[in-house]
Amino acid sequence: DTAVSQTPKYLVTQMGNDKSIKCEQNLGHDTMYWYKQDSKKFLKIMFSYNNKELIINETVPNRFSPKSPDKAHLNLHINSLELGDSAVYFCASSQGRDTYEQYFGPGTRLTVT
Amino acid sequence: AQRVTQPEKLLSVFKGAPVELKCNYSYSGSPELFWYVQYSRQRLQLLLRHISRESIKGFTADLNKGETSFHLKKPFAQEEDSAMYYCALRGSGAGSYQLTFGKGTKLSVIP
Repeated sequence: DTAVSQTPKYLVTQMGNDKSIKCEQNLGHDTMYWYKQDSKKFLKIMFSYNNKELIINETVPNRFSPKSPDKAHLNLHINSLELGDSAVYFCASSQGRDTYEQYFGPGTRLTVT
Repeated sequence: AQRVTQPEKLLSVFKGAPVELKCNYSYSGSPELFWYVQYSRQRLQLLLRHISRESIKGFTADLNKGETSFHLKKPFAQEEDSAMYYCALRGSGAGSYQLTFGKGTKLSVIP
């Protein structure tokens, strides 16, 4: 009964490749997020979608493109991967844009070699 | 702009000792403050929020608007408290749903 799930859990790839990370939530939430946690454990929001509509797009290279096929899914596609993209990417969801609690996925550890 | 500062990257305390994880914020309005925790190999989860004024797992946090602080405290640390702790802020007003996280403090409780 996992609330927020991400696949894959680990992703190792070479520079220049294109990869996707998938996120699904079964909580019925209408808002989903992507966060990046760097090697120093700094957690920063990247994107947020509400009802499949992009509402936050922080200063993120346009190589990163979120896609929300429906309210339960928010996938992250990354083009032309760079070494600096290595991080743990967390998906999260919440009910409504003003809800305080966000439910996080287990994270995807991306390693770019 | 909203900002959250956690000045300690790492905090080590002995079991049974008091714990205080510091959090300071910068926000022009009335913020909502939260503490999230990430135990080893587990997902990030909400620990407590200032509005509820509750104690979770023995932890409490009081919002001090004068000092713009929201420090997390526990009188007696336990080994299972070892984790990464993030202070987070959400602004007030319509649409201010974005959480801004601090850089986190790793708490290590020494047996």
